[in-house]
Formats: sequence, C-alpha cells, structure tokens
Amino acid sequence: DIQMTQSPSSLSASVGDRVTITCRASQGIGIYLNWYQQTAGRAPELLVFAASSLQSGVPSRFSGSGSGTDFTLTINSLRPEDFATYYCQQSHRTPYTFGQGTRLEI
Amino acid sequence: QVQLQQWGAGLLKPSETLSLTCGVYGGPFSGYYWNWIRQLPGKGLEWIGEISHGGSIKYNPSLKSRVTISTDTSKSQFSLHLSSVTAADTAVYYCARGYASGTYTDYMDVWGKGTTVTVSS
Repeated sequence: DIQMTQSPSSLSASVGDRVTITCRASQGIGIYLNWYQQTAGRAPELLVFAASSLQSGVPSRFSGSGSGTDFTLTINSLRPEDFATYYCQQSHRTPYTFGQGTRLEI
Repeated sequence: QVQLQQWGAGLLKPSETLSLTCGVYGGPFSGYYWNWIRQLPGKGLEWIGEISHGGSIKYNPSLKSRVTISTDTSKSQFSLHLSSVTAADTAVYYCARGYASGTYTDYMDVWGKGTTVTVSS
C-alpha cells in the first residue's frame, strides 16, 4: 500500500493567518493527490483534486501544489470556518489511502 | 444537486454481517465509481472498496475476504456487506461518489452523511 504522511498532525493558527500542510507519499503518485476538509460530525468534503485543481465552490484562498511524492495545501487568510481537519488522499493505485489528518485549531 | 443518502443497521453483535445501502438522488448513476470508506473512532479514513456502474469492483485487500459491494442500477443504489464483524469494525461508514476519467476513481466529490455502526455484544 502507498503510505501517506501528513505534517504537522496539528496546527494552531489565528484568523487571517496563512498556513501550509504537507503530505508525502511513500512512492511517486504523479498528481493523483486529493485534499479533503472534515469538520466535527460531518463527512469529508473535497477541496482540491489532481494536486492543484480547486473543486467547484471552494474559496480561492485554498490552493494545492506538488507532484511525485511531495504535496502541499495552503490556506491564505484563514477564516473561522476553516478550522477543521484536513486529509490528503492518493488515487494513484488501489487501495486508495489517506493521510492521518492535520487538525487546524485556533 | 446530487445527494447520497445512506441507511442500514447501526448496532450489531460480533459475528453478524454489516449491511448498508446508499441511494443516489438528483444525478446519474452511470459513469461514476461508487465507494465505501470508514472512519474508526478518533482515527483517520480507510477506503473499503468501489464499484462501477458496469460492475467493476475493487476491494481493499485488508478487508477483501469479508467485503461485498454490489449495485442495484434500477434503483440507483449500491450496497456494502461486511461479514463476521468484530468490535474493530466499529466506525462511521461513508458512501461516496468517485469521479473517474479512466478505470478507477480519481477523486470522491460527493459523500453521504455517514452511518455510525457499533459492534458490541
């Protein structure tokens, strides 16, 4: 299985800050990397697909980059509703695997 | 707006079979891959498997011996069956639509709300 490792596991920030979350794959996955946001008690929601494509309806303060094994999710000008847990996920090969999550806290 | 509605038993005893169904409303059933994912308590996400409208199936090898995913295209529904459950299968189970440009899911863009399944004697 392809292992996905996110860092940091948790992150404290303030409204208006810029934050970056990193995801590393145990082997090259091209751009088959997606990012999801999950708030408490809710299902994950797709933010970014194919490493850098923003899902329809997702604010432009979210952006993704990377290819191969190293990827980042950047959130500019944090808003209160952005405090959630973020997961990366590879779709290069089954079984699809997720990172362990990054909890973004105030 | 496509919505996924899922249902099934939320409390099981060890050795029973978990059965969940997910209905697709407001959008096409064909042309997508249909996925099941679970989230263990306080933990991350684990992909269980997927099925295409045409019946192509892939399972996570870690669960393959106990999992069956099927579709009822006439009802735009797909189902998950997980046999011989134990307490380790206690989790929130999600169904999700997979957009596919090829022969497998590229990304999961629509999710059900989740079903909490507890396995306890």
